[in-house]
Amino acid sequence: NAGVTQTPKFQVLKTGQSMTLQCAQDMNHEYMSWYRQDPGMGLRLIHYSVGAGITDQGEVPNGYNVSRSTTEDFPLRLLSAAPSQTSVYFCASNPRTGNTGELFFGEGSRLTVL
Amino acid sequence: RKEVEQDPGPFNVPEGATVAFNCTYSNSASQSFFWYRQDCRKEPKLLMSVYSSGNEDGRFTAQLNRASQYISLLIRDSKLSDSATYLCVVFPSGNTPLVFGKGTRLSVIA
Repeated sequence: NAGVTQTPKFQVLKTGQSMTLQCAQDMNHEYMSWYRQDPGMGLRLIHYSVGAGITDQGEVPNGYNVSRSTTEDFPLRLLSAAPSQTSVYFCASNPRTGNTGELFFGEGSRLTVL
Repeated sequence: RKEVEQDPGPFNVPEGATVAFNCTYSNSASQSFFWYRQDCRKEPKLLMSVYSSGNEDGRFTAQLNRASQYISLLIRDSKLSDSATYLCVVFPSGNTPLVFGKGTRLSVIA
């Protein structure tokens, strides 16, 4: 049972580099989202999607892009990495458009920007 | 006022103790409420939903007070394995995303 798969698990970038965090789910969930978690800040929503072709901004979208071309995949792109983007990133999915509480999270991607 | 507020703790309790966490939310129209658990360096996982009538799952009891807009989680007979961060989560309505509190850290000590 794969569930929500995130890659890579660890990444070190230099300031100004770009990269994509991959997220895939095999549960046919409509809703997918990206969070970042920093000490003392809790989980903050970056972007979310209620279905293929539909994305929306969360609380902290600046510096990140997303797309949702398929139900399964929801990649997060860092356009020009900054040290402030050092964080743990979680992808999560839900079977319906937000009206149930069980978000299924990936194991997280730890990103360090030097 | 923040949407979902929790006491960050840490709560340090001995094994066997009873501990309670509260959480307040600002949106009176919120529809659903949940407690998640997050172990150190792991992803959050759903612990239990919170129903208006209150609900229990083994040693865990969750309650909702809509009038005062708060949610509680009671853990009885604490175990070392209960050590984690407990996240209060609120679903506002419609297609809006879930709102997470910052979490309350619990350490159960032998």
